[in-house]
Amino acid sequence: AQSVTQLGSHVSVSEGALVLLRCNYSSSVPPYLFWYVQYPNQGLQLLLKYTTGATLVKGINGFEAEFKKSETSFHLTKPSAHMSDAAEYFCAVAESQGGKLIFGQGTELSVKP
Amino acid sequence: EAEVAQSPRYKITEKSQAVAFWCDPISGHATLYWYRQILGQGPELLVQFQDESVVDDSQLPKDRFSAERLKGVDSTLKIQPAELGDSAMYLCASSLAEKGRETQYFGPGTRLLVL
Repeated sequence: AQSVTQLGSHVSVSEGALVLLRCNYSSSVPPYLFWYVQYPNQGLQLLLKYTTGATLVKGINGFEAEFKKSETSFHLTKPSAHMSDAAEYFCAVAESQGGKLIFGQGTELSVKP
Repeated sequence: EAEVAQSPRYKITEKSQAVAFWCDPISGHATLYWYRQILGQGPELLVQFQDESVVDDSQLPKDRFSAERLKGVDSTLKIQPAELGDSAMYLCASSLAEKGRETQYFGPGTRLLVL
């Protein structure tokens, strides 16, 4: 069975600092991996996804993530945090692109001025 | 930019009452998903449709929940009777059924509070 673990339910950074949100997955097949962002009382917006090919994936709003098979990780990074990045971030895994998404518990990102 | 539409955005009901949520996917999207997101947790799939057919409803509590997508376009999720534990955000998502273009796009959700 697939599963996702997000380390740290809450991460706080200063504006301009590096953002690092951790995600580890478990999958019996080559995984499809996703990061979504959710602003308060809104739906989820796709930040980026890994399917096949290049292991470093670039997404919207300056975010990127690297698929590391040996570490079963897909950590999300952004070099410089902006106040508008404050939101809930979810990592998800799927057995196929069209299959159901298995989400982690989420990480709330706070950005301090 | 096309979006997934959901209504209502908020619903307050008393336990044992019936509630219904509606979702209109992005035009042309054959696959539709209903997820439930309990506060502080990630979304969990309730049901997945391919056109009008159910593909996966293994996590749908079928004694009280039902979902339909009669014409393969919009969809309704119903709860009858509602229980206190049903309080959550109900998210609808849709995707194309074309290989390489199956990214799921989410609607704004319906937040349900059962009193």
